[in-house]
Amino acid sequence: DQQVKQNSPSLSVQEGRISILNCDYTNSMFDYFLWYKKYPAEGPTFLISISSIKDKNEDGRFTVFLNKSAKHLSLHIVPSQPGDSAVYFCAATTLNFNKFYFGSGTKLNVKP
Amino acid sequence: EAQVTQNPRYLITVTGKKLTVTCSQNMNHEYMSWYRQDPGLGLRQIYYSMNVEVTDKGDVPEGYKVSRKEKRNFPLILESPSPNQTSLYFCASSPTPGQALGAQHFGDGTRLSIL
Repeated sequence: DQQVKQNSPSLSVQEGRISILNCDYTNSMFDYFLWYKKYPAEGPTFLISISSIKDKNEDGRFTVFLNKSAKHLSLHIVPSQPGDSAVYFCAATTLNFNKFYFGSGTKLNVKP
Repeated sequence: EAQVTQNPRYLITVTGKKLTVTCSQNMNHEYMSWYRQDPGLGLRQIYYSMNVEVTDKGDVPEGYKVSRKEKRNFPLILESPSPNQTSLYFCASSPTPGQALGAQHFGDGTRLSIL
């Protein structure tokens, strides 16, 4: 059973608007959460992460929010740009940083 | 250029014929890992290596072997491939565990088709 879930396979957003990608997890032992971005024919690239002791982390246009009680995190992209069109994966790990669990991905399409 | 290099990028082979996918990183990273990506399932971890001395199973290790004889290389071995191992495979690396807070550098992937 998947411990990290992304229930929206795809999302379409207009350029300049906000993109919100969601992720849920089941394992309360997870301590770090990460978002990766993946273009076709390339490997995932790290985007942003958050520790379980925080509820928000911001890096430029990207902000990740963590709601531990709901076991839910989200990635906000503001403003969205056509170059943001990619598949986004959320991932989770414990403080050991040995095993990583990924969601199934959300394909974001930002329309010009 | 800092990178994780996988070879081959594409391979079509037949059931039972042993194959090895190589992975090499030039960043002096301690941690390396292998994942497979399948539709609807995302990336699933096959094996990981915390350093040259420590290698352990991930979530889906059945049918795979790995080897970490030197820091830069982490080959994935399929001793007797079967069609259910047809997938897109990624190798990844990161510095000492915790140093990068989990962020990994990924190779560009190897697409394996096993007939």
